[in-house]
Amino acid sequence: AQKVTQAQTEISVVEKEDVTLDCVYETRDTTYYLFWYKQPPSGELVFLIRRNSFDEQNEISGRYSWNFQKSTSSFNFTITASQVVDSAVYFCALSEADSGNTGKLIFGQGTTLQVKP
Amino acid sequence: DTAVSQTPKYLVTQMGNDKSIKCEQNLGHDTMYWYKQDSKKFLKIMFSYNNKELIINETVPNRFSPKSPDKAHLNLHINSLELGDSAVYFCASSRGGSSYNSPLHFGNGTRLTVT
Repeated sequence: AQKVTQAQTEISVVEKEDVTLDCVYETRDTTYYLFWYKQPPSGELVFLIRRNSFDEQNEISGRYSWNFQKSTSSFNFTITASQVVDSAVYFCALSEADSGNTGKLIFGQGTTLQVKP
Repeated sequence: DTAVSQTPKYLVTQMGNDKSIKCEQNLGHDTMYWYKQDSKKFLKIMFSYNNKELIINETVPNRFSPKSPDKAHLNLHINSLELGDSAVYFCASSRGGSSYNSPLHFGNGTRLTVT
């Protein structure tokens, strides 16, 4: 069964703090993709990153970094030196390839991040 | 230019009415989707079309009927609206073929309120 769990419902930090958003996934497929999306207060869904199951290299993009560990089925997202503009709901998502080429995304419940000035 | 556009942005209607939400993408993508986001922010897929062909139809009441006149458009028609249909509906698109490795591009959402 496929499932994505974001155990942290809400996180509140003060500006400039580092924060890590956890994501744990379940899948029986050997080929799959993991994604992170950001939903700011304005409501749109913004794509942040895609990772395939064969690439466990960590990725850094500015203040954002992602840690993918197949051994623990986790794909965590860290924001360094958080800013107020980072306040949003962040979604982790899974897309399975072996189960059919449908592009279907399975989302986690989302983590609401509040960055206070 | 907006990549995935949906109209209307807000829709307030009464129970029992029929309404439609329109979606258009100008990205040249082959696959389009409808997702529903409930009041707890949970996102779940409803439908997916690839080149006008239905490929995903999750457990959705048959009051919901998607229609894809061409691969750039995917509309959602809802009959006999119920209070529980209140949600934000997102349209999305992705490249065809190996869609599973292509990020979804989402529209800005349509907030449906049924009173």
